[in-house]
Amino acid sequence: QQQVKQSPQSLIVQKGGISIINCAYENTAFDYFPWYQQFPGKGPALLIAIRPDVSEKKEGRFTISFNKSAKQFSLHIMDSQPGDSATYFCAASWSADGLTFGKGTHLIIQP
Amino acid sequence: ETGVTQSPTHLIKTRGQQVTLRCSSQSGHNTVSWYQQALGQGPQFIFQYYREEENGRGNFPPRFSGLQFPNYSSELNVNALELDDSALYLCASSLGFVGTNEQFFGPGTRLTVL
Repeated sequence: QQQVKQSPQSLIVQKGGISIINCAYENTAFDYFPWYQQFPGKGPALLIAIRPDVSEKKEGRFTISFNKSAKQFSLHIMDSQPGDSATYFCAASWSADGLTFGKGTHLIIQP
Repeated sequence: ETGVTQSPTHLIKTRGQQVTLRCSSQSGHNTVSWYQQALGQGPQFIFQYYREEENGRGNFPPRFSGLQFPNYSSELNVNALELDDSALYLCASSLGFVGTNEQFFGPGTRLTVL
């Protein structure tokens, strides 16, 4: 049972454009929603995270939008740069449980 | 301050063998979690250790077991290896439980089962 569904699987964006990745979850007990960035040969690195009491959180060029009623959240990367090319994972967790990850989005930023 | 380190980097085993993977948590972190990442997939939670005790487990069989030591380093043991166990194994540390604290991931151990 896939509890966190992520789309799209791959995404190509022009330099300077906005990259948007979406996730939907099923478990209403989830109360922590992070986004991770992973480069080849590296472990995932936390980009930004949000809790359900907030509808939006912005850190630099990265913004999370959260819709509790729809059980959806998304990552927006503004002014996308070639260095942003990586695989992005949304995740969710509750209480003392581990993270449940989406399947990932392979993002390519074209110069 | 050193980050999360894992050893070995790569490992090749044959079906039926046993393997031990090691993780050193980030300085000051008392919680270690292990994840399995198959090629092209997101990481899957195996289990979490807090103060040397297992505290939370994902959908993995008992042949996946672990330990956490007093210095908060950790081991992942997998018995009776199967071909499907081939994956990148990630260790992550945090100060407290995942839901309330940021997890820092190591670079992983790539396990190949032949």
